[in-house]
Amino acid sequence: QAHLQESGPGLVKPSETLSLTCAVSGASLSGYYWSWIRQTPGKGLEWIGFIHSNGMSTYNPSFKSRLTISVDTSTNQFSLRLSSVTAADTAVYYCARQERTLTTRYFDYWGQGILVTVSS
Amino acid sequence: EVVLTQSPGTLSLSPGERATLSCRASQSVNTNYLAWYQQKPGQPPSLLIYATSNRATGIPDRFSGSGSGTNFTLTISGLEPEDSAVYHCQQYGNSPVVTFGPGTKVEIK
Repeated sequence: QAHLQESGPGLVKPSETLSLTCAVSGASLSGYYWSWIRQTPGKGLEWIGFIHSNGMSTYNPSFKSRLTISVDTSTNQFSLRLSSVTAADTAVYYCARQERTLTTRYFDYWGQGILVTVSS
Repeated sequence: EVVLTQSPGTLSLSPGERATLSCRASQSVNTNYLAWYQQKPGQPPSLLIYATSNRATGIPDRFSGSGSGTNFTLTISGLEPEDSAVYHCQQYGNSPVVTFGPGTKVEIK
């Protein structure tokens, strides 16, 4: 049973870079896709992007120009960096594992979420 | 972009009643790639149904999913007080690869 835990600063200044890490325990990163998803009252759940354990990533075009997702299999963690943040990036950020089989895709494990506020 | 629309926004029902939640997509969705999640206050979403109609591990059989194309339904037969939550549908497909519906809030009277 995988356990995911987000960590990082809860407050980021406008124009700066938001950096979060997701530590995975109880399961290996290997062979899976690992995602970042955020939630705001206004826009609901919004998929940010995911990365495979081999380092290949896919991003939501809405974030592509300022987003980097990376993976570190040696520490069983993956990370999010979102640059040039504004108040619109204030959200609860979740990390999640995406199960992929030949026939289906879904998010089966989620972290508890971390509230990140963008404010000066 | 596949936009998911959920209705109703809020459903208020009594214990034992049946809840029918709708998820409509702006384009056809592969039934293998449509999932439903339950989210309670202060908690992350939790997988309920995957591939349109398959219950996730540990999900009681009062939860069922159906649909195809652009119309999908989550049915909760015999509502229990603990079913009070927001229910989100989610699809995997074309860019952006993943989208979620805005959610339906189920309130138990």
